[in-house]
Amino acid sequence: DARVTQTPRHKVTEMGQEVTMRCQPILGHNTVFWYRQTMMQGLELLAYFRNRAPLDDSGMPKDRFSAEMPDATLATLKIQPSEPRDSAVYFCASGLMQGSTGELFFGEGSRLTVL
Amino acid sequence: AQSVSQHNHHVILSEAASLELGCNYSYGGTVNLFWYVQYPGQHLQLLLKYFSGDPLVKGIKGFEAEFIKSKFSFNLRKPSVQWSDTAEYFCAAINQGGKLIFGQGTELSVKP
Repeated sequence: DARVTQTPRHKVTEMGQEVTMRCQPILGHNTVFWYRQTMMQGLELLAYFRNRAPLDDSGMPKDRFSAEMPDATLATLKIQPSEPRDSAVYFCASGLMQGSTGELFFGEGSRLTVL
Repeated sequence: AQSVSQHNHHVILSEAASLELGCNYSYGGTVNLFWYVQYPGQHLQLLLKYFSGDPLVKGIKGFEAEFIKSKFSFNLRKPSVQWSDTAEYFCAAINQGGKLIFGQGTELSVKP
């Protein structure tokens, strides 16, 4: 049963530390999204990729966040340095998209707590 | 600016009551629409989607949604809710550029 895999599932770290979250999209999917979910802001789009190329990362704080797809089987979201306000659940989603058609499949999320 | 708005933050219903959750979008050009559900502690799952054709879309678990282009709306409905429908519901829209944006979510609590 194909699914999006995210690691780690839970991460507790101290302010100032680097955090890297990983996502393995479903094989064959050409689009990967990163979202951040908090009680206050809901689901915020951070960045998304099509065929490994970044299409939009305007939702991401550029000074501390970076998103990459080193290959088709791995997407990473890095925060350096982390801050308490980064505490959230980070979701990765992948889909086989053509323009606006297609369906996204979500991973289980990475719950980040920054102390 | 592209946006998706959900009217209700928290809805409380008794079992067997009918449900309607509002969703409006602001997008230029062609847009495709989705409703996702997130059960407590879980990830998002697709309920239904609209790409084209019949504006009344049927999804899983007895949910349906109606796309009304003139009103920029895509409201979610279910004739009779169950306790197991307790979850958070997200409306989402995607444009031709592939940017998928979610609404703020509506938390549904169904009392047994």
